[in-house]
Amino acid sequence: QQQVKQSPQSLIVQKGGISIINCAYENTAFDYFPWYQQFPGKGPALLIAIRPDVSEKKEGRFTISFNKSAKQFSLHIMDSQPGDSATYFCAAKDNYGQNFVFGPGTRLSVLP
Amino acid sequence: DAGVTQSPTHLIKTRGQQVTLRCSPKSGHDTVSWYQQALGQGPQFIFQYYEEEERQRGNFPDRFSGHQFPNYSSELNVNALLLGDSALYLCASSLFWAAFDTEAFFGQGTRLTVV
Repeated sequence: QQQVKQSPQSLIVQKGGISIINCAYENTAFDYFPWYQQFPGKGPALLIAIRPDVSEKKEGRFTISFNKSAKQFSLHIMDSQPGDSATYFCAAKDNYGQNFVFGPGTRLSVLP
Repeated sequence: DAGVTQSPTHLIKTRGQQVTLRCSPKSGHDTVSWYQQALGQGPQFIFQYYEEEERQRGNFPDRFSGHQFPNYSSELNVNALLLGDSALYLCASSLFWAAFDTEAFFGQGTRLTVV
């Protein structure tokens, strides 16, 4: 029940295209859902995060869509750029614990 | 403002040895969490320290232990190293009682290779 599932495992998108990564969870106590971006040899960096009281959050080219009833959330990267090529992790945290549960990651490659 | 700093960056140890990894949290943060990231996988929670005490622990054996100092910095110790302990070890800092802003900042990690 602590697991966060993530798909696809890898994604190849043309420059200017839309990248979509999906995540699903089971634990209804989760109340904070961040997305992290990780470049090779670096630690994860927070990209955007959402709480279950909203269905969508947009920051620049990055949008999180959240479906509380389906227990699913997704990251959309509009106008994908080669510099977006990285591994993306969805994560979840509940209000009681202090640790994040991470998905297995999606390796995104944006072709020039 | 320095972010989360970890040392060393890379480390090679022999099976059976012991290792200590270090982390200094972001300025103003009081909580340090440690994660293990195996190659090609997401980070897995090891444990968290607040007020110099272990507050939460993930599914890791007792060979993994830690410590937090009064200045909030932290150490991760791993005894009797196994080949399977080879991974990127990440430190994340946060505020324990953050009401709404629960963002965690990660360091760049320590790459541990056990041979």
